Amino acid sequence: GAGVSQSPSNKVTEKGKDVELRCDPISGHTALYWYRQSLGQGLEFLIYFQGNSAPDKSGLPSDRFSAERTGGSVSTLTIQRTQQEDSAVYLCASAQGAQWSTDTQYFGPGTRLTVL
Amino acid sequence: AQSVAQPEDQVNVAEGNPLTVKCTYSVSGNPYLFWYVQYPNRGLQFLLKYITGDNLVKGSYGFEAEFNKSQTSFHLKKPSALVSDSALYFCAVRDLDDKIIFGKGTRLHILP
Repeated sequence: GAGVSQSPSNKVTEKGKDVELRCDPISGHTALYWYRQSLGQGLEFLIYFQGNSAPDKSGLPSDRFSAERTGGSVSTLTIQRTQQEDSAVYLCASAQGAQWSTDTQYFGPGTRLTVL
Repeated sequence: AQSVAQPEDQVNVAEGNPLTVKCTYSVSGNPYLFWYVQYPNRGLQFLLKYITGDNLVKGSYGFEAEFNKSQTSFHLKKPSALVSDSALYFCAVRDLDDKIIFGKGTRLHILP
């Protein structure tokens, strides 16, 4: 079956604009995560969805960042009033089971965001 | 606080030689440890994980990792490197909040 897909693959925007990044997880995976990978940095956890539970938003760096997951499948990460420091690769991952800390995560190819 | 460290930003190995990519961790309780690889222009791929059991964990593409509790290490190894192994490698550990923390990554260059 298809893996995790993300769109767009690249996004260039002007400072102050809002952007939406999309993630399509593997069908049947209940867990979905967003990470940010900045140049020279590791993967920074942003947010985690598990089934119908309230998402773990503890990694969101500011209130300009939000995410939703519709119907337990597709997720959208929204960044409002983008800043240059938001430039990074945004990665989405999904996993099958409830215990997300031990389940294998499957990553999408990422969206490269550049804020001018 | 839970953490994972990859002390080497870059590792160079000649093709055919054994390779080691280092990872050390700091956790409370039993560690859950992972290795992921990121090939150029591709997403991260799972290599292997240690949850419990044998200290030597075998994974994809001929890689293995050795869990060493006394040294708090989980080094990634391969007996004979291939040029195609050149990539960015990430070590990761579960933290107390059940999230996975990734290291900063080690870039592996296999020289032909």
